[in-house]
Amino acid sequence: DTGVSQNPRHKITKRGQNVTFRCDPISEHNRLYWYRQTLGQGPEFLTYFQNEAQLEKSRLLSDRFSAERPKGSFSTLEIQRTEQGDSAMYLCASSPLESEAFFGQGTRLTVV
Amino acid sequence: AQSVTQPDIHITVSEGASLELRCNYSYGATPYLFWYVQSPGQGLQLLLKYFSGDTLVQGIKGFEAEFKRSQSSFNLRKPSVHWSDAAEYFCAVGPNQGGKLIFGQGTELSVKP
Repeated sequence: DTGVSQNPRHKITKRGQNVTFRCDPISEHNRLYWYRQTLGQGPEFLTYFQNEAQLEKSRLLSDRFSAERPKGSFSTLEIQRTEQGDSAMYLCASSPLESEAFFGQGTRLTVV
Repeated sequence: AQSVTQPDIHITVSEGASLELRCNYSYGATPYLFWYVQSPGQGLQLLLKYFSGDTLVQGIKGFEAEFKRSQSSFNLRKPSVHWSDAAEYFCAVGPNQGGKLIFGQGTELSVKP
């Protein structure tokens, strides 16, 4: 098991474009979490899944953001019509039920 | 409101010196408390966690933390810092052992030779 994998590691996009990130959790981890981390700040919770069900979404997750976890395996986070304020590190984590989360290395998004 | 405060944005210590990183939390329910470490360009690695029992918990890499309910604090300590400990440290609180966490803004640790 190689841990939580996130792709791509870096993404540069022009304002207004759509981007999609992928997260592959540790196998058999039921829960998957998305966080956003801006420079000099701690991670902020965005949303989480238990298997394929999206159980909670933060108010930070505007309607331009959508996350999916088809079949309860990998997850994607899509940002539509990107804005400069979306520039951040997007972190994914996974955990078994009621156990600590393991984080991936993140995808750094730069919107120019 | 639920929050985590790390009062020190940046700390510099000499190699071999002791270290204490402060963390205060505000949380309505019984808190589950965590310390994570993040090296540049990397994800977060769990150092230790507390949710019940002995208020002094031991973690990886020689770190320990003490939970003080009366002070709403969960400070991280290490008796002797190594150059490889230079990183960003995050305190976090959650409703259970899982990954839905509220993080502090982090403390950046620099280590002088």
